[in-house]
Amino acid sequence: AQSVTQPDIHITVSEGASLELRCNYSYGATPYLFWYVQSPGQGLQLLLKYFSGDTLVQGIKGFEAEFKRSQSSFNLRKPSVHWSDAAEYFCAVGPNGPGGKLIFGQGTELSVKP
Amino acid sequence: EAGVTQFPSHSVIEKGQTVTLRCDPISGHDNLYWYRRVMGKEIKFLLHFVKESKQDESGMPNNRFLAERTGGTYSTLKVQPAELEDSGVYFCASSQGRGLAGYNEQFFGPGTRLTVL
Repeated sequence: AQSVTQPDIHITVSEGASLELRCNYSYGATPYLFWYVQSPGQGLQLLLKYFSGDTLVQGIKGFEAEFKRSQSSFNLRKPSVHWSDAAEYFCAVGPNGPGGKLIFGQGTELSVKP
Repeated sequence: EAGVTQFPSHSVIEKGQTVTLRCDPISGHDNLYWYRRVMGKEIKFLLHFVKESKQDESGMPNNRFLAERTGGTYSTLKVQPAELEDSGVYFCASSQGRGLAGYNEQFFGPGTRLTVL
């Protein structure tokens, strides 16, 4: 069955500290991989995506993610967290092709301490 | 350029009533998706329109849910009659037709929070 697991429901980090949000997936074929962020009152915003090629992808707001096929993982990282990064983060997979539904993880809520 | 808009932002109704949610996609986007997040769970796909046609409605929970996309523009999602378990946040997303390498980024609206009492 196709699924995405985000094992951490809630994470708190101090401002300036590094961040890693975990994501593991189960998918029959090679999927497209995504990280979205949702700030309060906002829609989901795409942070970054992986299709193929370089397994380390850069996104907006200083985020990056690394695809590890052997571990079926696509973890999100940021070297130094800012207070404005407090939000909920969603990992998702989609079919390797046009259109198609996304399968999401449960989300990880990030709190940032001053 | 306006993003995906959804109306209303919140809706509180009683069990057995009818509610209609509306989504206006980004102009020119052929693909329109509905997703739902029940509290504490993951965001789940409901259905996908390509223009006015339903491409995939495999995620629709039951026949109390009816989605339409008249003229391939805005879409409505009607729940009739609403049940307690229908409470959650309903997201709409849209994407262009075939894009580079076949990928179409999905742009999400802010969601409609539905509470069924």
